[in-house]
Parts: sequence; structure tokens; C-alpha cells
Amino acid sequence: DAGVTQSPTHLIKTRGQQVTLRCSPKSGHDTVSWYQQALGQGPQFIFQYYEEEERQRGNFPDRFSGHQFPNYSSELNVNALLLGDSALYLCASSPRMKGWETQYFGPGTRLLVL
Amino acid sequence: AQTVTQSQPEMSVQEAETVTLSCTYDTSESDYYLFWYKQPPSRQMILVIRQEAYKQQNATENRFSVNFQKAAKSFSLKISDSQLGDAAMYFCAYRSPNNNNDMRFGAGTRLTVKP
Repeated sequence: DAGVTQSPTHLIKTRGQQVTLRCSPKSGHDTVSWYQQALGQGPQFIFQYYEEEERQRGNFPDRFSGHQFPNYSSELNVNALLLGDSALYLCASSPRMKGWETQYFGPGTRLLVL
Repeated sequence: AQTVTQSQPEMSVQEAETVTLSCTYDTSESDYYLFWYKQPPSRQMILVIRQEAYKQQNATENRFSVNFQKAAKSFSLKISDSQLGDAAMYFCAYRSPNNNNDMRFGAGTRLTVKP
């Protein structure tokens, strides 16, 4: 049983560019959440998707957008990259609307903006 | 908004000994879930233990146990018989079932295990 997978593992971009990160949830999970983890900090919630719609959003600007596909995989898009967007981006999956269910995390994508 | 505070940026423990990591949180909700995650240098967040707020009994998973004090809004993690593989960042997290399962994390505690 494959866990949560993310691609790519590392990415280097320059300011102003756009980036797309990808996530495949754990088998049997239909909900995907994205987190940004700056160096030395805890993860910050970006947004959550299920049934192919954004259901909840954290305190992130509209430059951060996402998508969920019918197979439950998800993409995180960041436009007009800023130096401050450099971080580890984590994807987590869980069964829908079950707060007691554990979120399983992927290994993350390390984004460096120069 | 719920906040999670981990007041110990770094902790160290001798191999085979016991260490306790602290976590406090702020909430007005009565029902919620608390988690401890471990993040080794490989970066993957791994669930260590979880606690449902409505359960008075403290959760235990092998060498890991929690001291959940609901009134004090405290949720500490005790690691017994520490092993070298326990070295990692440990994050305390709060999850609300009433807020579309938004998860809030503390800033983390870096645990070093000395041989």
C-alpha cells in the first residue's frame, strides 16, 4: 500500500515564476491538505480539497491555488513567486470529514526561490 | 483561533532514559483532537500518537505516552527508553472537527539523543 507521494522532491525557481507541485494521496483517502513549512517552523495550513473543490483555506494569498482530480490526486500552484515562498511544501491525505482520522503526510517538496 | 505552543525549541536525552516534551494549546472548543508528529531529517512527518479530547485516559503507544490535561490545555509527550532513532523534530498539533479538520501545528521541539 503506497503512502502519500509528492513530486518533485526539490525545485529551484526565480522570483516571478510560477510553480506546480503534485501530490497523490494514500490509497482509500479522498481528502488532500497542503501545508507550507518554512525553515525552523511548524507547518502552516494552506488549503484542503475534497470532491474536487477547495473546502477550506488558511491565511494564504490568492497566488496560492490548487486543484483536485477525480482520482483524488492534487496540485498546488503558486504564481508570481516571492523569495518568502521558499519552504518545504507538505501534502497530507485523510478520509473525508473524519477529524479523528490521522492525516498521513508525504515527504514534501523543497522549493527554493532565488 | 486555536494556537499551539511548544516552549522547548530543543531538548536532549541520554540513550535509554526518559524525556518529556511540552505542548500547550488555546481553544474554546470542547471537542478536538491532539497529535504528536515526528519529523526526522528525511522530512516525512510520521504520526507518533494521538488523543481525542473526550477521552480522559491518556493515550499510549509502546514507548510513547501522553499526559493530557484538558483543563490546563496541556498535552505533553513522554518518550521512555529513548533510542538513537528517536532523534527528530517533534510537532504537537491540534485538529478541530468543527473547522473542516484544519490542523494547527506548534513550532516544534528538536530532540537530540546522546549515546
